[in-house]
Amino acid sequence: GENVEQHPSTLSVQEGDSAVIKCTYSDSASNYFPWYKQELGKGPQLIIDIRSNVGEKKDQRIAVTLNKTAKHFSLHITETQPEDSAVYFCAASFSSNDYKLSFGAGTTVTVRA
Amino acid sequence: NAGVTQTPKFQVLKTGQSMTLQCAQDMNHNSMYWYRQDPGMGLRLIYYSASEGTTDKGEVPNGYNVSRLNKREFSLRLESAAPSQTSVYFCASSTQANQPQHFGDGTRLSIL
Repeated sequence: GENVEQHPSTLSVQEGDSAVIKCTYSDSASNYFPWYKQELGKGPQLIIDIRSNVGEKKDQRIAVTLNKTAKHFSLHITETQPEDSAVYFCAASFSSNDYKLSFGAGTTVTVRA
Repeated sequence: NAGVTQTPKFQVLKTGQSMTLQCAQDMNHNSMYWYRQDPGMGLRLIYYSASEGTTDKGEVPNGYNVSRLNKREFSLRLESAAPSQTSVYFCASSTQANQPQHFGDGTRLSIL
């Protein structure tokens, strides 16, 4: 099956600085990599996703990069704002079953004003 | 614009009691999922339903059963609750495989 490792587990950044979260996966045939943001007391919300035929994707202040050779993908948040404070999860699909996602353990991001 | 609705939001059970968690989505999605979230472990898939009429096991199915009642509703049942099942349970839905999953706000379940 798929195994996803996520680093760091906690991240504190100054408002306006950038934040980077990295994930590695084990299944070289995985082809779908979503990122979720979870606020306290809420369910995870998709913020961006990338597929294996694309190396980078951007959406305003958020970008995701994928390195298939190294089997890792990263989330980049630029110009961080207090509302970016949340827990972020990466995930990767199982090549053997497109309905299954394996999630990382999460990164708690705190943006200091 | 309700999206995915889960009931109840909170529940406390005693060991051995049974409980059904309800989930409904109004996005006309084909696929639905049940996850549990434990501290430091991310989300783990319990069961999923690829389409109405089908259900399949995820990573951690032991101690749970599911029913895909119709296209909108997917319930999770604990027949004999155990303290190890204390967790936050999330339901999600998607149009099909490898598409964005939309999550509800969870059911916080404590088993004493």
